[in-house]
Amino acid sequence: DTAVSQTPKYLVTQMGNDKSIKCEQNLGHDTMYWYKQDSKKFLKIMFSYNNKELIINETVPNRFSPKSPDKAHLNLHINSLELGDSAVYFCASSHKGREPDTQYFGPGTRLTVL
Amino acid sequence: GQNIDQPTEMTATEGAIVQINCTYQTSGFNGLFWYQQHAGEAPTFLSYNVLDGLEEKGRFSSFLSRSKGYSYLLLKELQMKDSASYLCAVSNQAGTALIFGKGTTLSVSS
Repeated sequence: DTAVSQTPKYLVTQMGNDKSIKCEQNLGHDTMYWYKQDSKKFLKIMFSYNNKELIINETVPNRFSPKSPDKAHLNLHINSLELGDSAVYFCASSHKGREPDTQYFGPGTRLTVL
Repeated sequence: GQNIDQPTEMTATEGAIVQINCTYQTSGFNGLFWYQQHAGEAPTFLSYNVLDGLEEKGRFSSFLSRSKGYSYLLLKELQMKDSASYLCAVSNQAGTALIFGKGTTLSVSS
């Protein structure tokens, strides 16, 4: 009965590779997010999708491309991985219009670029 | 600009009360959230304030003063399991993203 799930949990790869992280939520939410948490534990928004449409795209390199096939899924594809991409990536979801618009986080994907 | 400040670390003993402060300066405001994050785990929702005042939820309470750009999280009857990072986050004007502070690592000792 997992609410927000991500795969894989761990990802170790070489510089220059392309990788994807998948996220699914079964909460019936209409908005999904990707956050990056760096080694200093600072959590920063990357993307936000509402009803499959991009509504926020922070200053993220265009090597990062989110894709939302439907409201329950938001995947993150990363091209030409760099050392600085090593971090924990969290997916989250919420429902706009609810008060509060609480975001629920997935378990995270720890990406290590060698 | 966006700036959310909270202390980096705090320590306390079991059974005590601790207050974690958060000050914010953001270009918009649509509510303030507190999350708890244990090491290696996802942030989990603790509390939400959008109006001034105190919200109480069991051992945890959160206070907001919008005019001062200030919030605190109060944890009572501390337990060892409360050792975690506590994240203050402001929802932006459009409500499309959370802007997080760097978190306060709380260590509870016996």
